[in-house]
Amino acid sequence: GESVGLHLPTLSVQEGDNSIINCAYSNSASDYFIWYKQESGKGPQFIIDIRSNMDKRQGQRVTVLLNKTVKHLSLQIAATQPGDSAVYFCAGFSGGYQKVTFGTGTKLQVIP
Amino acid sequence: ETGVTQTPRHLVMGMTNKKSLKCEQHLGHNAMYWYKQSAKKPLELMFVYNFKEQTENNSVPSRFSPECPNSSHLFLHLHTLQPEDSALYLCASSRNEGSEQFFGPGTRLTVL
Repeated sequence: GESVGLHLPTLSVQEGDNSIINCAYSNSASDYFIWYKQESGKGPQFIIDIRSNMDKRQGQRVTVLLNKTVKHLSLQIAATQPGDSAVYFCAGFSGGYQKVTFGTGTKLQVIP
Repeated sequence: ETGVTQTPRHLVMGMTNKKSLKCEQHLGHNAMYWYKQSAKKPLELMFVYNFKEQTENNSVPSRFSPECPNSSHLFLHLHTLQPEDSALYLCASSRNEGSEQFFGPGTRLTVL
């Protein structure tokens, strides 16, 4: 079936190190992806997005990589900080919001 | 703060009760959304409203009844819910359907 999933449920990272969170998707028609961050007690917050005509996009301390060949995308966080501790999940869209699929989430724990 | 507020933040109800969740956005957006977020499951899109008109009903049971009186307010009326309906219900808004969404903090619903 159609799915967008994450490889690891929990990721522990030392403060200052880089974090990599992965996501696999199954719908080859997905043409737009978003990474969200959700802190405890809050709603999801947009971090970065990427369209299928790109393979890399950079933001402030974050980079998203898209590999359409293997239907995989990743979120890289540079110099991870305690404030980065949250659940991160990806979403894949095809045809706008008529067809959106969300991943289950990876919990990022930053060790001071 | 994202500009999207939800009330109540927590709700406990019995299966025979009738309650309503409220969402208000102060961003001047035209599209509003209801999502269900269950533990260890992906975010599920429930309803989409664009300019007060429902454009998406993602096979949601009739015990959930949305109402969108204007572009700033969205309600989710609940009646005869089941324990498996216990979840975090998130509201989001976007400038237009398909553009970046801003999420509220959610209502944590527990059905006894």
